[in-house]
Amino acid sequence: QVQLVESGGGLVKPGGFLRLSCSASGFSFSDYYLSWIRQAPGKGLEWVSYISPSGGTTYYAESVKGRFTISRDNAKNSLFLQMNSLRAEDTAVYYCTRGGALSGSYYWGQGTLVTVSS
Amino acid sequence: DVVMTQSPLSLPVTLGQPASISCRSSQSLVHSDGDTYLNWFHQRPGQSPRRLIYNVSKRDSGVPDRFSGSGSGTDFTLKISRVEAEDVGIYYCMQGTHWPPITFGQGTRLEIK
Repeated sequence: QVQLVESGGGLVKPGGFLRLSCSASGFSFSDYYLSWIRQAPGKGLEWVSYISPSGGTTYYAESVKGRFTISRDNAKNSLFLQMNSLRAEDTAVYYCTRGGALSGSYYWGQGTLVTVSS
Repeated sequence: DVVMTQSPLSLPVTLGQPASISCRSSQSLVHSDGDTYLNWFHQRPGQSPRRLIYNVSKRDSGVPDRFSGSGSGTDFTLKISRVEAEDVGIYYCMQGTHWPPITFGQGTRLEIK
């Protein structure tokens, strides 16, 4: 069955950096677009970034453009989110999802919590 | 970006009674391919979101038939014919027609009276 498992969250100071990972299994990883979606504590859902199957095309929300970088390693069935220049408003649970545009994501990971605080 | 507006934001419902959530978009969600990419998600406390309905009215596998989606253009509705205890949580609509970015509504919290 499809599984998406995020890791790498934690507490980081403003201005710091963090790299999230998502390990995938149960499907042909290199065939699918993948997304990161986040949810601030007690708030709604916000799309963060999207990557094509080859990794050659990426998209970002305006709120993270220039600070976050999405990438993937199809040989290792892994998705990444490099987060630099972190701000308090980046505090959220970050979900890895399969797909995400058009019809949204049927498959979601359990999420990893990122806390940006001094 | 397309703004998604849900109402109500809080929905107390008696068990066994129907419930309805409205979602309006700031522009038409009809895609150039003719389809309409309006989707509904449910999130229980402490869990990841789960997609219930995609492309306005298509129910996902395992979703009870008491859930139905309808609408067109800019106005959409999620209906639950008879609310059960497991239906509590937050419901989000999401548009994928005008991505990037995909955008979500603010969420509607359903609770049992």
